[in-house]
Amino acid sequence: RKEVEQDPGPFNVPEGATVAFNCTYSNSASQSFFWYRQDCRKEPKLLMSVYSSGNEDGRFTAQLNRASQYISLLIRDSKLSDSATYLCVVRLYNRKLIWGLGTSLAVNP
Amino acid sequence: DVKVTQSSRYLVKRTGEKVFLECVQDMDHENMFWYRQDPGLGLRLIYFSYDVKMKEKGDIPEGYSVSREKKERFSLILESASTNQTSMYLCASTSGQGNSPLHFGNGTRLTVT
Repeated sequence: RKEVEQDPGPFNVPEGATVAFNCTYSNSASQSFFWYRQDCRKEPKLLMSVYSSGNEDGRFTAQLNRASQYISLLIRDSKLSDSATYLCVVRLYNRKLIWGLGTSLAVNP
Repeated sequence: DVKVTQSSRYLVKRTGEKVFLECVQDMDHENMFWYRQDPGLGLRLIYFSYDVKMKEKGDIPEGYSVSREKKERFSLILESASTNQTSMYLCASTSGQGNSPLHFGNGTRLTVT
Protein backbone atom coordinates (compact mmCIF):
# COMPACT_ATOMS: atom_id res chain seq x y z
CA ARG A 1 0.00 0.00 0.00
CA LYS A 2 1.35 3.42 -0.92
CA GLU A 3 1.98 5.81 1.96
CA VAL A 4 0.00 8.55 0.25
CA GLU A 5 -2.76 7.58 -2.13
CA GLN A 6 -4.78 9.63 -4.57
CA ASP A 7 -7.34 8.69 -7.16
CA PRO A 8 -5.48 9.39 -10.42
CA GLY A 9 -8.69 10.37 -12.25
CA PRO A 10 -9.07 11.93 -14.68
CA PHE A 11 -11.94 13.91 -13.31
CA ASN A 12 -13.83 15.50 -16.19
CA VAL A 13 -16.19 18.23 -15.03
CA PRO A 14 -18.06 21.08 -16.73
CA GLU A 15 -17.24 24.68 -15.99
CA GLY A 16 -18.99 25.87 -12.86
CA ALA A 17 -19.08 22.43 -11.26
CA THR A 18 -17.92 21.61 -7.76
CA VAL A 19 -15.33 18.86 -7.55
CA ALA A 20 -13.63 17.21 -4.58
CA PHE A 21 -10.47 15.14 -4.29
CA ASN A 22 -9.35 13.01 -1.40
CA CYS A 23 -5.89 11.95 -0.39
CA THR A 24 -5.32 9.22 2.18
CA TYR A 25 -2.14 8.75 4.15
CA SER A 26 -1.01 5.81 6.21
CA ASN A 27 1.71 7.19 8.49
CA SER A 28 0.34 8.44 11.79
CA ALA A 29 3.54 10.45 12.33
CA SER A 30 2.35 12.96 9.76
CA GLN A 31 2.87 16.54 10.79
CA SER A 32 1.80 18.82 7.99
CA PHE A 33 -0.08 18.60 4.73
CA PHE A 34 -0.17 20.47 1.45
CA TRP A 35 -1.92 20.57 -1.87
CA TYR A 36 0.11 21.43 -4.96
CA ARG A 37 -1.06 22.10 -8.46
CA GLN A 38 1.00 21.00 -11.47
CA ASP A 39 0.32 22.05 -15.03
CA CYS A 40 1.48 19.88 -17.89
CA ARG A 41 5.29 19.96 -18.22
CA LYS A 42 5.64 22.56 -15.49
CA GLU A 43 6.83 22.46 -11.91
CA PRO A 44 4.47 21.85 -8.97
CA LYS A 45 3.25 25.03 -7.34
CA LEU A 46 1.86 25.34 -3.85
CA LEU A 47 -1.91 25.65 -3.91
CA MET A 48 -2.50 25.66 -0.19
CA SER A 49 -1.36 24.27 3.11
CA VAL A 50 -3.93 22.24 5.00
CA TYR A 51 -4.67 23.17 8.59
CA SER A 52 -6.34 21.07 11.25
CA SER A 53 -9.40 23.28 11.41
CA GLY A 54 -9.75 23.38 7.63
CA ASN A 55 -9.02 26.39 5.52
CA GLU A 56 -10.36 28.22 2.53
CA ASP A 57 -8.76 30.29 -0.18
CA GLY A 58 -11.31 31.72 -2.55
CA ARG A 59 -12.94 28.85 -4.40
CA PHE A 60 -10.66 26.27 -2.78
CA THR A 61 -11.28 24.57 0.54
CA ALA A 62 -8.96 22.10 2.22
CA GLN A 63 -9.86 19.80 5.07
CA LEU A 64 -7.87 17.47 7.28
CA ASN A 65 -9.30 14.44 9.04
CA ARG A 66 -6.60 13.02 11.31
CA ALA A 67 -8.82 10.30 12.72
CA SER A 68 -9.47 8.81 9.29
CA GLN A 69 -6.10 9.92 7.93
CA TYR A 70 -7.15 11.82 4.87
CA ILE A 71 -7.11 15.31 3.48
CA SER A 72 -9.48 16.72 0.93
CA LEU A 73 -9.59 19.53 -1.59
CA LEU A 74 -12.85 21.06 -2.75
CA ILE A 75 -12.97 23.32 -5.78
CA ARG A 76 -16.14 25.33 -6.27
CA ASP A 77 -17.26 27.01 -9.48
CA SER A 78 -14.59 25.28 -11.56
CA LYS A 79 -12.82 27.32 -14.22
CA LEU A 80 -11.13 26.09 -17.38
CA SER A 81 -7.87 27.29 -15.84
CA ASP A 82 -8.28 24.84 -12.95
CA SER A 83 -7.40 21.99 -15.34
CA ALA A 84 -4.22 20.51 -13.91
CA THR A 85 -2.89 17.69 -11.79
CA TYR A 86 -3.36 18.14 -8.04
CA LEU A 87 -0.69 16.64 -5.83
CA CYS A 88 -1.07 15.84 -2.18
CA VAL A 89 2.04 15.85 0.02
CA VAL A 90 2.54 14.88 3.63
CA ARG A 91 5.44 15.92 5.83
CA LEU A 92 6.34 13.54 8.63
CA TYR A 93 7.72 14.62 11.99
CA ASN A 94 11.16 13.45 10.86
CA ARG A 95 10.88 16.03 8.02
CA LYS A 96 10.47 13.39 5.32
CA LEU A 97 8.07 14.41 2.56
CA ILE A 98 5.82 11.86 0.92
CA TRP A 99 4.12 12.73 -2.36
CA GLY A 100 1.01 11.31 -3.89
CA LEU A 101 0.99 10.58 -7.61
CA GLY A 102 -1.64 13.23 -8.26
CA THR A 103 -5.21 13.56 -9.43
CA SER A 104 -5.84 14.83 -12.92
CA LEU A 105 -8.64 17.36 -13.41
CA ALA A 106 -10.03 18.48 -16.75
CA VAL A 107 -12.60 21.28 -16.70
CA ASN A 108 -14.58 21.37 -19.91
CA PRO A 109 -16.42 24.30 -21.50
CA ASP B 1 8.41 35.71 -3.41
CA VAL B 2 10.74 32.76 -3.16
CA LYS B 3 12.79 32.21 -6.25
CA VAL B 4 14.37 28.88 -7.07
CA THR B 5 16.35 29.01 -10.28
CA GLN B 6 17.53 26.02 -12.26
CA SER B 7 20.29 26.73 -14.72
CA SER B 8 18.81 24.99 -17.76
CA ARG B 9 15.26 24.40 -18.92
CA TYR B 10 16.19 21.80 -21.53
CA LEU B 11 19.36 19.78 -21.84
CA VAL B 12 20.46 17.09 -24.28
CA LYS B 13 23.50 15.00 -23.39
CA ARG B 14 25.16 11.87 -24.69
CA THR B 15 25.51 8.61 -22.83
CA GLY B 16 28.61 8.64 -20.64
CA GLU B 17 28.85 12.41 -20.32
CA LYS B 18 29.18 14.05 -16.93
CA VAL B 19 26.21 16.34 -16.38
CA PHE B 20 25.82 19.19 -13.91
CA LEU B 21 22.43 20.56 -12.96
CA GLU B 22 22.59 23.74 -10.94
CA CYS B 23 20.00 25.15 -8.57
CA VAL B 24 20.07 28.44 -6.70
CA GLN B 25 17.55 29.81 -4.21
CA ASP B 26 17.39 33.35 -2.93
CA MET B 27 15.48 32.93 0.35
CA ASP B 28 18.25 31.73 2.65
CA HIS B 29 16.51 28.36 2.93
CA GLU B 30 18.23 25.65 4.95
CA ASN B 31 16.77 22.69 3.10
CA MET B 32 17.20 21.84 -0.55
CA PHE B 33 16.09 18.85 -2.58
CA TRP B 34 16.55 17.22 -5.94
CA TYR B 35 13.70 15.19 -7.41
CA ARG B 36 13.09 13.51 -10.71
CA GLN B 37 9.62 13.12 -12.11
CA ASP B 38 8.58 10.46 -14.60
CA PRO B 39 5.11 9.60 -15.92
CA GLY B 40 3.33 7.18 -13.64
CA LEU B 41 6.09 7.30 -11.02
CA GLY B 42 5.50 10.72 -9.55
CA LEU B 43 8.14 12.72 -7.73
CA ARG B 44 11.07 10.65 -6.52
CA LEU B 45 13.67 12.08 -4.18
CA ILE B 46 17.26 11.73 -5.35
CA TYR B 47 19.23 13.66 -2.72
CA PHE B 48 18.57 16.33 -0.15
CA SER B 49 20.51 18.67 2.08
CA TYR B 50 19.54 20.25 5.38
CA ASP B 51 22.60 22.46 5.62
CA VAL B 52 25.73 23.61 3.83
CA LYS B 53 28.19 20.77 3.19
CA MET B 54 25.56 18.31 4.30
CA LYS B 55 23.91 15.80 1.97
CA GLU B 56 21.68 12.79 2.42
CA LYS B 57 20.60 10.11 -0.01
CA GLY B 58 17.00 10.08 -0.99
CA ASP B 59 15.08 7.15 -2.43
CA ILE B 60 16.94 6.81 -5.74
CA PRO B 61 20.51 8.15 -5.35
CA GLU B 62 22.23 5.60 -7.61
CA GLY B 63 24.05 7.23 -10.50
CA TYR B 64 23.87 10.69 -8.93
CA SER B 65 25.88 12.82 -6.56
CA VAL B 66 25.36 16.31 -5.15
CA SER B 67 27.30 19.25 -3.90
CA ARG B 68 26.31 21.98 -1.47
CA GLU B 69 29.28 24.27 -0.94
CA LYS B 70 27.14 27.36 -0.37
CA LYS B 71 23.78 27.67 1.32
CA GLU B 72 22.01 29.02 -1.74
CA ARG B 73 23.33 26.51 -4.27
CA PHE B 74 22.65 22.80 -4.59
CA SER B 75 24.12 20.98 -7.57
CA LEU B 76 23.13 17.60 -8.95
CA ILE B 77 25.78 15.64 -10.79
CA LEU B 78 25.28 12.71 -13.12
CA GLU B 79 28.70 11.10 -13.12
CA SER B 80 28.14 9.16 -16.35
CA ALA B 81 24.79 9.87 -17.93
CA SER B 82 22.68 6.95 -19.06
CA THR B 83 19.50 6.82 -21.13
CA ASN B 84 17.45 5.79 -18.09
CA GLN B 85 18.31 9.16 -16.55
CA THR B 86 16.24 10.92 -19.18
CA SER B 87 13.71 12.72 -17.04
CA MET B 88 12.38 15.98 -15.64
CA TYR B 89 14.60 17.14 -12.78
CA LEU B 90 13.15 19.42 -10.16
CA CYS B 91 15.01 21.32 -7.48
CA ALA B 92 13.15 22.59 -4.42
CA SER B 93 13.88 24.44 -1.22
CA THR B 94 12.19 25.17 2.08
CA SER B 95 13.09 26.89 5.30
CA GLY B 96 12.13 23.71 7.10
CA GLN B 97 10.42 25.70 9.83
CA GLY B 98 7.04 24.52 11.04
CA ASN B 99 4.54 24.30 8.25
CA SER B 100 6.77 25.79 5.56
CA PRO B 101 6.07 24.37 2.09
CA LEU B 102 8.49 23.41 -0.68
CA HIS B 103 9.19 25.86 -3.47
CA PHE B 104 10.24 24.43 -6.80
CA GLY B 105 12.41 25.63 -9.62
CA ASN B 106 10.89 25.42 -13.08
CA GLY B 107 12.61 22.15 -13.84
CA THR B 108 15.23 20.82 -16.23
CA ARG B 109 14.09 18.40 -18.88
CA LEU B 110 17.13 16.22 -19.53
CA THR B 111 17.39 13.92 -22.50
CA VAL B 112 20.26 11.44 -22.66
CA THR B 113 20.84 9.94 -26.08
